[in-house]
Amino acid sequence: DTGVSQNPRHKITKRGQNVTFRCDPISEHNRLYWYRQTLGQGPEFLTYFQNEAQLEKSRLLSDRFSAERPKGSFSTLEIQRTEQGDSAMYLCASSLVQGPPYNEQFFGPGTRLTVL
Amino acid sequence: AQKITQTQPGMFVQEKEAVTLDCTYDTSDQSYGLFWYKQPSSGEMIFLIYQGSYDEQNATEGRYSLNFQKARKSANLVISASQLGDSAMYFCAMRCMDTGRRALTFGSGTRLQVQP
Repeated sequence: DTGVSQNPRHKITKRGQNVTFRCDPISEHNRLYWYRQTLGQGPEFLTYFQNEAQLEKSRLLSDRFSAERPKGSFSTLEIQRTEQGDSAMYLCASSLVQGPPYNEQFFGPGTRLTVL
Repeated sequence: AQKITQTQPGMFVQEKEAVTLDCTYDTSDQSYGLFWYKQPSSGEMIFLIYQGSYDEQNATEGRYSLNFQKARKSANLVISASQLGDSAMYFCAMRCMDTGRRALTFGSGTRLQVQP
């Protein structure tokens, strides 16, 4: 399967701990996106990369959140000093720069974070 | 700012019948794209169909069609000949197409249940 992969699929942590999630995009995709989805809601945009450059960040991305894509391939999303409000599904997506005009975003299965 | 409204939290449809899922949007952008995604219980977002704001014809993809009414700012998804496998959450989304902004804005979703 050559789709977007995310690890881990589930993470349970205690409040105040740091967590890191990994996303591997589709291999030829140079754009990578992070979204957060809370229960009963649609995904909310957090940030996106084109290659290794972080080009857009949402106001949702507080200073406790940091995302990197050091070599323009996989990306990591770290949450420091987790809070119960961080409990959500974290979705990663990727897309081509050159492609159909709408550059559809292909989503991974998500990482479900539970903060106790 | 962009906003997507999906007013139907849940819908039921009999197998083999057609169903319409409502989506209205608000944006100040002149060029924008409208997307529909399906999210089964496994969690992965699956792209279904796209409509550009300047497209004169309604988009169709197999059993999916998008009823685009620009003056009313609506982009309803029509699923013909429903199948049991269509049971899932459905999200309407949009993004600006004429700037470097890549973030998708999602609605809160509609849960569709197909009954045998």
